[in-house]
Amino acid sequence: GQSLEQPSEVTAVEGAIVQINCTYQTSGFYGLSWYQQHDGGAPTFLSYNALDGLEETGRFSSFLSRSDSYGYLLLQELQMKDSASYFCAPSGNTPLVFGKGTRLSVIA
Amino acid sequence: DADVTQTPRNRITKTGKRIMLECSQTKGHDRMYWYRQDPGLGLRLIYYSFDVKDINKGEISDGYSVSRQAQAKFSLSLESAIPNQTALYFCATNSGQGANEQFFGPGTRLTVL
Repeated sequence: GQSLEQPSEVTAVEGAIVQINCTYQTSGFYGLSWYQQHDGGAPTFLSYNALDGLEETGRFSSFLSRSDSYGYLLLQELQMKDSASYFCAPSGNTPLVFGKGTRLSVIA
Repeated sequence: DADVTQTPRNRITKTGKRIMLECSQTKGHDRMYWYRQDPGLGLRLIYYSFDVKDINKGEISDGYSVSRQAQAKFSLSLESAIPNQTALYFCATNSGQGANEQFFGPGTRLTVL
């Protein structure tokens, strides 16, 4: 089967750093993706980790530990426009499943 | 032009009506998906297709059917719409390779009265 766990909501202050955790179970796992979705919009791809470690893309970084079935998305220098929902999505032998996501609210 | 298009973008219908939501993609991918999004419930997979002759149920397929008319087209039908099918519907496509990036359409907001 497949399972995903992320916090449902996170609130952080503009300019701060926030980490969104994800634990997963999926058969035939080969990588973990992160997506961002603003209210009323479609999800958009942020990052992908196939190997253990940290991948950095600008203000966003994503981490994966395959042995722990765990990953996180790190957002630095938070901006108001980062307020959105964030979904982790493990890739494996099953189709991509997104779960409930984490709603991030950035406050001034 | 957008990689994934959905029609209609908004639809209001009545209970019992048959509704078809259409999706087209220009990515050249074999894999296509239909998701439903409800507040607080995230994205849930309805149906998916890995090629033109392949149709698979997702986690919430009851009350829905699909048709894969071509590599680029994947439509979702509600044979007899009911109010709890009111939701935002997304079509998506990916290659199934590498980062397996999922490309989403803009969504169809469906209201069943």
